[in-house]
Amino acid sequence: GAVVSQHPSRVICKSGTSVKIECRSLDFQATTMFWYRQFPKKSLMLMATSNEGSKATYEQGVEKDKFLINHASLTLSTLTVTSAHPEDSSFYICSARDTPRGAGAYEQYFGPGTRLTVT
Amino acid sequence: GENVEQHPSTLSVQEGDSAVIKCTYSDSASNYFPWYKQELGKRPQLIIDIRSNVGEKKDQRIAVTLNKTAKHFSLHITETQPEDSAVYFCAARLQGAQKLVFGQGTRLTINP
Repeated sequence: GAVVSQHPSRVICKSGTSVKIECRSLDFQATTMFWYRQFPKKSLMLMATSNEGSKATYEQGVEKDKFLINHASLTLSTLTVTSAHPEDSSFYICSARDTPRGAGAYEQYFGPGTRLTVT
Repeated sequence: GENVEQHPSTLSVQEGDSAVIKCTYSDSASNYFPWYKQELGKRPQLIIDIRSNVGEKKDQRIAVTLNKTAKHFSLHITETQPEDSAVYFCAARLQGAQKLVFGQGTRLTINP
């Protein structure tokens, strides 16, 4: 199956600093990538949908100026958490959509996640 | 928009028994229903999916059924094994949409 990588796997940063997380599709081109946030023992909360070459679409309640998303190529999307605060500590997971096979027939593959801790 | 409800939130079964997890969705325009398995600290892995043009799909010990009229779909795991212990998420996607809407998750524990 398709492989999605994410870097870094863990990051600790100080309050007020910014952190960039990378999401790469390794063996396929991903026109669309998704960024999720997951709290302990909770479901996946979609933050934004990222389309290559265009602005990301943010879900209601997600601050676009705080969570900057860039999808500059068909294999790379980045999420930058700006001016991080302890409440931003979470598990961030990206996913990528593979090439459609027939009408709407595509699957979504997840990266391994990034655990962000803001001190 | 679409809303997905998943039950139960936790499920414990004896090794070898079957496990069933159920999800309901709200929008009849949804046409794709994947199931993901997430082990602790790991990424969600797609284990099976079903599209609205079929009612059932099976892959070895795992099966998914879809009832479009009732707007619910279920995951069935037979002959459960300890390695089936994980959190399982169902999801639904509206026809023409990009994003998946996830259920709340079910923590499945297989007791040896």
